[in-house]
Amino acid sequence: AQSVAQPEDQVNVAEGNPLTVKCTYSVSGNPYLFWYVQYPNRGLQFLLKYITGDNLVKGSYGFEAEFNKSQTSFHLKKPSALVSDSALYFCAVRDMAGRRALTFGSGTRLQVQP
Amino acid sequence: DSGVTQTPKHLITATGQRVTLRCSPRSGDLSVYWYQQSLDQGLQFLIQYYNGEERAKGNILERFSAQQFPDLHSELNLSSLELGDSALYFCASSVVGQGNTGELFFGEGSRLTVL
Repeated sequence: AQSVAQPEDQVNVAEGNPLTVKCTYSVSGNPYLFWYVQYPNRGLQFLLKYITGDNLVKGSYGFEAEFNKSQTSFHLKKPSALVSDSALYFCAVRDMAGRRALTFGSGTRLQVQP
Repeated sequence: DSGVTQTPKHLITATGQRVTLRCSPRSGDLSVYWYQQSLDQGLQFLIQYYNGEERAKGNILERFSAQQFPDLHSELNLSSLELGDSALYFCASSVVGQGNTGELFFGEGSRLTVL
């Protein structure tokens, strides 16, 4: 079975500072990995994905994520946080061998202070 | 705007009742997924349909059922509602086939409150 762990319920960072939101995964074979963001009372918005190739993936709104196969991690990063980045972030994994539904982590609330 | 449309946005009903949630996928997407988001369970995959056929099942209760129609819209039926069914229900769609890299596109959700 595939699974995703987001070890931090909340991450607090000051505006202008770099941010990292952590994610580790477990899946049979090679993973497809995703990050989504959810703003209050909204649906999930796709940020970025890792399929294959370069371990550093760039996505929307200046976010990037680093795939590390040996550590089974896919941490979300941004060099300089904005107050408007405050939201709920979800990491997800797709199992390539079976069904196409994504399995999501529990979510990490990012709070960026001015 | 993801292109996925869900109705109704909000729904308040009583225990024991039955409701139907509707989803229209993005134009051209053949696959529809239903997820439930609650405070204690997070985002749970319920069921997937592809071109009218059930493709995968997740943690869907027997009281819940879904279908996908020939025009590709989907409905999620929730019956004998309990207080614990109160949640945000999301529909998502994706391209399936060559070129599909797996990302789902989510609607804004239907918030169900069971009193």
